[in-house]
Amino acid sequence: LAKTTQPISMDSYEGQEVNITCSHNNIATNDYITWYQQFPSQGPRFIIQGYKTKVTNEVASLFIPADRKSSTLSLPRVSLSDTAVYYCLVGDSRGYSSASKIIFGSGTRLSIRP
Amino acid sequence: GAVVSQHPSWVICKSGTSVKIECRSLDFQATTMFWYRQFPKQSLMLMATSNEGSKATYEQGVEKDKFLINHASLTLSTLTVTSAHPEDSSFYICSARDIQFNTEAFFGQGTRLTVV
Repeated sequence: LAKTTQPISMDSYEGQEVNITCSHNNIATNDYITWYQQFPSQGPRFIIQGYKTKVTNEVASLFIPADRKSSTLSLPRVSLSDTAVYYCLVGDSRGYSSASKIIFGSGTRLSIRP
Repeated sequence: GAVVSQHPSWVICKSGTSVKIECRSLDFQATTMFWYRQFPKQSLMLMATSNEGSKATYEQGVEKDKFLINHASLTLSTLTVTSAHPEDSSFYICSARDIQFNTEAFFGQGTRLTVV
């Protein structure tokens, strides 16, 4: 399984752009990078997924350099409601490991202040 | 998007009793379901993987006799915590996917178990 490393926590303010970087040095050729968001006492929610370069949807952008050994989740103009834990996962196109499981790393606890 | 529903959302039980948590896929066939446990301020820990009609596969360190998983139909999986103790108090989350069509996994809203 490709191991991921993220900052344990980050703080920011409303209206700012937040970038969370994830390292995955031993990512495999077939692996995709998937990000989930989890609010307290709720199940994780899919945010975005990418393979290379840049992916953007209505919620976030995902930047992946050419070597794919890291990725950056970018949240534009965050609000208080973006306070959550963000998980970076590496696996197949659906986010699964080679064993067809979703294994969560430690995640990044993002706190947004007024 | 697809919906996975867990029931109950929270439960309080006495030590020594058993508790059953249900996980239902509401609009797709969940050929595979995953059960996770999450302690406060920690990440999700995979407990077991269940495939419809077969025995669950438990992760290392998870007691299969304590955490009974039944996946008898394509829309329902249950997790029974037997002889619960205070240390079993946790947030339990299920996830379901349709492996035949290689869908992504959809997560339930979780169940907060408190054993007193």
